[in-house]
Amino acid sequence: GESVGLHLPTLSVQEGDNSIINCAYSNSASDYFIWYKQESGKGPQFIIDIRSNMDKRQGQRVTVLLNKTVKHLSLQIAATQPGDSAVYFCAENGYDYKLSFGAGTTVTVRA
Amino acid sequence: EPEVTQTPSHQVTQMGQEVILRCVPISNHLYFYWYRQILGQKVEFLVSFYNNEISEKSEIFDDQFSVERPDGSNFTLKIRSTKLEDSAMYFCASSVQGRNQPQHFGDGTRLSIL
Repeated sequence: GESVGLHLPTLSVQEGDNSIINCAYSNSASDYFIWYKQESGKGPQFIIDIRSNMDKRQGQRVTVLLNKTVKHLSLQIAATQPGDSAVYFCAENGYDYKLSFGAGTTVTVRA
Repeated sequence: EPEVTQTPSHQVTQMGQEVILRCVPISNHLYFYWYRQILGQKVEFLVSFYNNEISEKSEIFDDQFSVERPDGSNFTLKIRSTKLEDSAMYFCASSVQGRNQPQHFGDGTRLSIL
């Protein structure tokens, strides 16, 4: 079956440093990936997406890298700020309509 | 920026009672979804809906669950006879197209079954 998971459940980072959040997926048929941020009491908030015909995509302070060979996805956050403290989920979409979510990484930014 | 809105934010219901969770998707979106998140766990897909019918559903979405788009703006999830294990956050989402498109989520309804 398909599964999407993150390597580490928690990440503590110093304010101003760069953060890297990792995700491994097992469904080689997945062709679309999304990173979401979830703050306490809120729903998942779209950050950035990437299609399988790309290996890198950049947004504002965020970069997503996709390595299809090893089925690995990462989210890089530049100059991490206190407002970046949240749970981050990767999600993948294959031939169907649903998104399959990973377990999430809790990012805590230290002042 | 347009957003998905959900009501109520918190619903407390006795076991065995029916509950209806409501959502207003983003107005130009055509695909609608329900997901749930049990406390401390990952977000799980329940159902997708397009053109007034279910396009896909998970094993969780059994006969006790139903969805409806009663008018041009609302999208509802009904649980017919709630069980203790239905306690979770329920998220509604919508997207412009069904695949390879970001799904935008509401802030959820916390459902507590007593």
